[in-house]
Amino acid sequence: DTEVTQTPKHLVMGMTNKKSLKCEQHMGHRAMYWYKQKAKKPPELMFVYSYEKLSINESVPSRFSPECPNSSLLNLHLHALQPEDSALYLCASSPEEAGLAGLETQYFGPGTRLLVL
Amino acid sequence: GESVGLHLPTLSVQEGDNSIINCAYSNSASDYFIWYKQESGKGPQFIIDIRSNMDKRQGQRVTVLLNKTVKHLSLQIAATQPGDSAVYFCAETSGNTPLVFGKGTRLSVIA
Repeated sequence: DTEVTQTPKHLVMGMTNKKSLKCEQHMGHRAMYWYKQKAKKPPELMFVYSYEKLSINESVPSRFSPECPNSSLLNLHLHALQPEDSALYLCASSPEEAGLAGLETQYFGPGTRLLVL
Repeated sequence: GESVGLHLPTLSVQEGDNSIINCAYSNSASDYFIWYKQESGKGPQFIIDIRSNMDKRQGQRVTVLLNKTVKHLSLQIAATQPGDSAVYFCAETSGNTPLVFGKGTRLSVIA
């Protein structure tokens, strides 16, 4: 089973709202990722967690706050977002963050379609 | 096909024909490559991968070719079906760097 689940599927929020995106995997993977994808563009890496610790933050604005409560869960807390933050937010996981080829193969969830008004 | 400007390059093929999707990469240190398929409204789906010590790898109806000399990767889909219509991304990593995605190619299958 290579399933990564994400909730909600769709989210509409105002610029003053606080919301959270959730991601879950039960493959025993130790690395989890958040990506942002705009229309007709490739996914852009935001954050990487490895063994529940933040490993990479790709200079993401602080209005995006990741959290990894345990090895199976990854959250993305959203606060005071801008309309340009509207995008598809993808979660992915891999057995390890990097190293032996194959162990960093990332499996993606279906994404959360976010619209900021 | 690499994208130019804001437009995603599109490859149109007849159902039953073979498809070849190309990808150029820039990092000569990249040693692991993945092809992903992304259907509308869904996340990227792993198709096939290849290590830099190989130049060809075959899966079910798909073949990935790697030419390290010219830093080129291709995905061949045999007997293309309507269900193959999607955007295809190549991705590369050197193992200690994050996965880097190519710009993507839209495959459109004509029935």
